[in-house]
Amino acid sequence: QQQVKQSPQSLIVQKGGISIINCAYENTAFDYFPWYQQFPGKGPALLIAIRPDVSEKKEGRFTISFNKSAKQFSLHIMDSQPGDSATYFCAAVNQGGKLIFGQGTELSVKP
Amino acid sequence: EAGVTQSPTHLIKTRGQQATLRCSPISGHTSVYWYQQALGLGLQFLLWYDEGEERNRGNFPPRFSGRQFPNYSSELNVNALELEDSALYLCASSRTVQETQYFGPGTRLLVL
Repeated sequence: QQQVKQSPQSLIVQKGGISIINCAYENTAFDYFPWYQQFPGKGPALLIAIRPDVSEKKEGRFTISFNKSAKQFSLHIMDSQPGDSATYFCAAVNQGGKLIFGQGTELSVKP
Repeated sequence: EAGVTQSPTHLIKTRGQQATLRCSPISGHTSVYWYQQALGLGLQFLLWYDEGEERNRGNFPPRFSGRQFPNYSSELNVNALELEDSALYLCASSRTVQETQYFGPGTRLLVL
């Protein structure tokens, strides 16, 4: 199965709150899991990425948690800011070079 | 370091015509990928080129084709355009297939 399932589809968070986006996959051949951030009219930009031998990776306010046995991973945005309002995509990559994207989460951070 | 560049930014065609989209990867990147982002359908993998060869393709008909030039730039051709081909076409590049893909700003194709 080449799917990556992402939830929620949309998310509204107050400024300063925590935004949490979840993804699940089925194919154990995936070996790299990036998160992309996309603003309207722009291409996706890499936010943070993780490999399955690591359970957590933190970069600034952004943290990926990875559960290999459950085949799930999530993005946490701490102290969410209005400038974080964008669409977030999780993705998975296998040796075939194909990025399989989740369906996207539209995040809106209210001031 | 310059990022991935794509041209044109916008393209308007009519049904049945052909569209050609261009992509220049980041310097030093040999792999180029094409994705389609259609409204409501998310990001779909189209093609992967590396060292001038097509290495993988997504679930798209043969009228979607492309090539990679010796300087690693790439071209995506869409023949016999259909209304549902209207989408943002994104190009990405990476140093190797195992490394991060970086995206360009995209070409927005509108088929009338």
